[in-house]
Amino acid sequence: QAVVTQEPSLTVSPGGTVTLTCGSSTGEVTSVHNPFWLQKKPGQVPRTLIYGANKKHSWTPARFSGSLLGGRSALTLSGAQFEDEADYYCLLSYGDARLFGRGTKLTVL
Amino acid sequence: QVQLEQSGAEVKKPGSSVTVSCRASGGNINNFVINWVRQAPGQGLEWMGGIIPTFGRIDYAEDFYGRVAITADESTNTVHMDLRGLRSDDTAVYYCARAGFCSGGVCQDFFDFWGQGTMVTVSS
Repeated sequence: QAVVTQEPSLTVSPGGTVTLTCGSSTGEVTSVHNPFWLQKKPGQVPRTLIYGANKKHSWTPARFSGSLLGGRSALTLSGAQFEDEADYYCLLSYGDARLFGRGTKLTVL
Repeated sequence: QVQLEQSGAEVKKPGSSVTVSCRASGGNINNFVINWVRQAPGQGLEWMGGIIPTFGRIDYAEDFYGRVAITADESTNTVHMDLRGLRSDDTAVYYCARAGFCSGGVCQDFFDFWGQGTMVTVSS
């Protein structure tokens, strides 16, 4: 079974920029993996920020963007706010199945 | 506006089974791709499987083969997730989500709507 890799934790200063990435043990992440990025805060329902690698939902703050970068899926936060402190999960598709990464704990400090 | 309403919290004994239901409003589940995701305490999100009723297609994560069954009841616009052989490490919040929408035989993935979550506790 494939493994989806993410940075365990990252810290960003308020107003700063940070990029979270997501890799696959099977090789490069491409549009075929249909990457999603989800935000999860304690006690709340997951919220999907990015789908299809780089598409935003109507509720996705403009400061979040998705891309494919260097064989990985990336979520970039530009202009971090305290409310962005959360766990972020990448979800990749492998044929008929999907797999989450272990998540990145983002601290805004 | 699509809403997904899940059934209430459950407490189960090890070895037993649980059914978590996900009733949709604001749309027909026959056109939806419904996925199930869980999160154990202090752990990450885990994809369990999904169903596309209009195609009669059901997919399961390898880790749950033989233990999970996902079904759709179009008469009640509800998707059910049955998990059997419960263990203590199945204690988790279980979520259903509209992973996608199908139209004209083509499905697009969005993961746009989520149920509120159902806490399942497995304890002797």
